[in-house]
Amino acid sequence: DAGVIQSPRHEVTEMGQEVTLRCKPISGHDYLFWYRQTMMRGLELLIYFNNNVPIDDSGMPEDRFSAKMPNASFSTLKIQPSEPRDSAVYFCASSFHDGEGYGYTFGSGTRLTVV
Amino acid sequence: QKEVEQDPGPLSVPEGAIVSLNCTYSNSAFQYFMWYRQYSRKGPELLMYTYSSGNKEDGRFTAQVDKSSKYISLFIRDSQPSDSATYLCAMSKGAQKLVFGQGTRLTINP
Repeated sequence: DAGVIQSPRHEVTEMGQEVTLRCKPISGHDYLFWYRQTMMRGLELLIYFNNNVPIDDSGMPEDRFSAKMPNASFSTLKIQPSEPRDSAVYFCASSFHDGEGYGYTFGSGTRLTVV
Repeated sequence: QKEVEQDPGPLSVPEGAIVSLNCTYSNSAFQYFMWYRQYSRKGPELLMYTYSSGNKEDGRFTAQVDKSSKYISLFIRDSQPSDSATYLCAMSKGAQKLVFGQGTRLTINP
């Protein structure tokens, strides 16, 4: 298995532009998570899905952020309009409920810079 | 106050030393406890997980959970330069929503 695949790896955009981050989870995993990591705040959960349905989006910072999971093999996180304070590394992770623990598999992340 | 507190370090030790990494937490409902390792410019990878209190050993790594004190630890024996990374503790109530510590940056010096 190729693991969790995120694209792009790096994104540099100007303030006010729309940004779309993409994620392909591991086949068979029924949970998908979007996290944001910064030096100041560490890893923050933005939203997570179970069987393609959003379960908890309380971490989404504001209405500029939206996430979708149209099918079991694809999810997007969109920021519109982007702002410099959105600069961070965005991680997607997927997991399955194995009954003993909830280990996630993370992607390699998308490093977003908004100038 | 954050739900999970972890000293960000940095922590620097000589090769072969025993490393102790720790986290404290405030939510007594946490049941699952994990340690992740994150190399520079990579995503975190699961190192160990435990359910409830107790110890778990895997090779050079030992995870300890003390629920009465709300304290978890990760010990690394015979540390190697390849162990240099950021170590993040994480925990959940079992509803698939992990809460992470800030991460401790560890450097093992040859």
